[in-house]
Amino acid sequence: AQKVTQAQTEISVVEKEDVTLDCVYETRDTTYYLFWYKQPPSGELVFLIRRNSFDEQNEISGRYSWNFQKSTSSFNFTITASQVVDSAVYFCALSDSDSNYQLIWGAGTKLIIKP
Amino acid sequence: GAVVSQHPSWVICKSGTSVKIECRSLDFQATTMFWYRQFPKQSLMLMATSNEGSKATYEQGVEKDKFLINHASLTLSTLTVTSAHPEDSSFYICSARGQPTNQPQHFGDGTRLSIL
Repeated sequence: AQKVTQAQTEISVVEKEDVTLDCVYETRDTTYYLFWYKQPPSGELVFLIRRNSFDEQNEISGRYSWNFQKSTSSFNFTITASQVVDSAVYFCALSDSDSNYQLIWGAGTKLIIKP
Repeated sequence: GAVVSQHPSWVICKSGTSVKIECRSLDFQATTMFWYRQFPKQSLMLMATSNEGSKATYEQGVEKDKFLINHASLTLSTLTVTSAHPEDSSFYICSARGQPTNQPQHFGDGTRLSIL
């Protein structure tokens, strides 16, 4: 069965520090997709990235970067030079053909950036 | 592109009333729509999946008579919470997906429901 584990329940750092949010997934499928979403206090889900299982290239988007490692079934997310506006709950999710591409969600990591 | 509009954003109503939440895909055809419920400080919990023109498929433990889902067109799905009670208070989020099935889901902004 599919599973997404975000072991960090809450992380608190001081502004301008770098922070990495961990995500470990389980699936038997060879074709799958991994996602990261941001949920600020206002509640809406903000899509950050979608990565398919055949693309292991790391991605950088501004202060955000993602490290996809199939060998360890991890898809970690790093924020460089964090800002107060980055404070939110971040969800990692997985979809695969076994789940008919429904999203399997991690528990979320609450990120607190202190000024 | 791929915008999903969810209304209302928040609603407060008395116990015993029914509440309807709408989810619209504005610029694409949503063959599948999903309804999620989120309790405070928890992850999203899938309630049901609906395909246009078909009956919704409910997840285990979700009362289909309490949470009525209609997906009558390729751009609109509705969730009606019937005879709502305080324990139905929650944050409800819809998402929509086009074809093929491996397309990503696009999310509405959610509805905060408070039952007094």
